[in-house]
Amino acid sequence: DQQVKQNSPSLSVQEGRISILNCDYTNSMFDYFLWYKKYPAEGPTFLISISSIKDKNEDGRFTVFLNKSAKHLSLHIVPSQPGDSAVYFCAATPGGGDGLTFGKGTHLIIQP
Amino acid sequence: DVKVTQSSRYLVKRTGEKVFLECVQDMDHENMFWYRQDPGLGLRLIYFSYDVKMKEKGDIPEGYSVSREKKERFSLILESASTNQTSMYLCATTGGLSSGNTIYFGEGSWLTVV
Repeated sequence: DQQVKQNSPSLSVQEGRISILNCDYTNSMFDYFLWYKKYPAEGPTFLISISSIKDKNEDGRFTVFLNKSAKHLSLHIVPSQPGDSAVYFCAATPGGGDGLTFGKGTHLIIQP
Repeated sequence: DVKVTQSSRYLVKRTGEKVFLECVQDMDHENMFWYRQDPGLGLRLIYFSYDVKMKEKGDIPEGYSVSREKKERFSLILESASTNQTSMYLCATTGGLSSGNTIYFGEGSWLTVV
């Protein structure tokens, strides 16, 4: 059973526009959510996170929204830049230093 | 900055060989993890460790073992490599709540089993 789902394997967005990546989860024990960005042949790098006590967290061009009742979170990138082309992984954890549960990733392609 | 170093970036091994993947972190973190990443399957947890000499199975431990003799070092062992273990392997560490539950990854090790 997949506890963290990213239903779009890929997403293509024009440079300068908004990119919206979606993630759904099923485990109500998840308390902390993170987004990672991964370039080919490199390890994932941490991008932004949100605690379940919040519904929004913003860091520069990146904003993560959390809807706990719908068990849904999304990552907004505004404006999208060519360097944003990468695979984005959504991850969740109950907290306490346990391993993260990852989604399968969404490949974001920014078109010029 | 947290530094997670994986000793080998690219390896080619033969079926049946014993393979060691080494990982070292410099942040004195207790928690360390081994994931593998495959296209369309995302990141899957193989094993993790909460402390020296402690290990816990993740989601896909079959065919793997681990060793944590020192706090900073976590090794992944393929006792008898098989072609379905061709993958990108990622070591990670976290300080837990003190680091905001953020996991930090190494650069990855590409293993090809022929």
